[in-house]
Amino acid sequence: AQSVAQPEDQVNVAEGNPLTVKCTYSVSGNPYLFWYVQYPNRGLQFLLKYITGDNLVKGSYGFEAEFNKSQTSFHLKKPSALVSDSALYFCAGKGSSASKIIFGSGTRLSIRP
Amino acid sequence: NAGVTQTPKFQVLKTGQSMTLQCAQDMNHEYMSWYRQDPGMGLRLIHYSVGAGITDQGEVPNGYNVSRSTTEDFPLRLLSAAPSQTSVYFCASSLAGGYPYNEQFFGPGTRLTVL
Repeated sequence: AQSVAQPEDQVNVAEGNPLTVKCTYSVSGNPYLFWYVQYPNRGLQFLLKYITGDNLVKGSYGFEAEFNKSQTSFHLKKPSALVSDSALYFCAGKGSSASKIIFGSGTRLSIRP
Repeated sequence: NAGVTQTPKFQVLKTGQSMTLQCAQDMNHEYMSWYRQDPGMGLRLIHYSVGAGITDQGEVPNGYNVSRSTTEDFPLRLLSAAPSQTSVYFCASSLAGGYPYNEQFFGPGTRLTVL
């Protein structure tokens, strides 16, 4: 069975510092991976995706993610955090032989001024 | 474009009652889905549809029914509500022919409480 794991429930970062939100996956076939962000009382918003190609994917709001096949990871990164980045972040993905996307449990990112 | 809309925003039911959660999109997306979000569990897929007249089950389909008579609408029916169905429900859609390569657009959610 495929799975997507976010090992950290919460990540705390000072404003201006780099941030990383971790995601690992276990799928059959080629992986298709996504990051979404959820602000309070809102639906999820798409940030970026990896389907094929370059291992470094750039997305919305200055976020990027690094696909690492050997470590089966797809970590979300940003060079300089903003207080407005505080939100709940979800990693999602599937393998090419599966029919449905699986979401991770979410990581709450808190940026302190 | 309104995007993906969901009604109602909040609902309280008693055990055994039935109701329909409405979802509509105006982006001509063929793929639509329903998720439930529970603390610490992320989003779990309930049902999905790849086009009008076609639906299939997700991870947690028991207790829920769906139909897709038009491209725009994808209602979720709770047949006999149970406290275990207390959750936040999200509807999502994505571009025609693009699943799973295209990102999903999510509605604002419906917060359901079953007493």
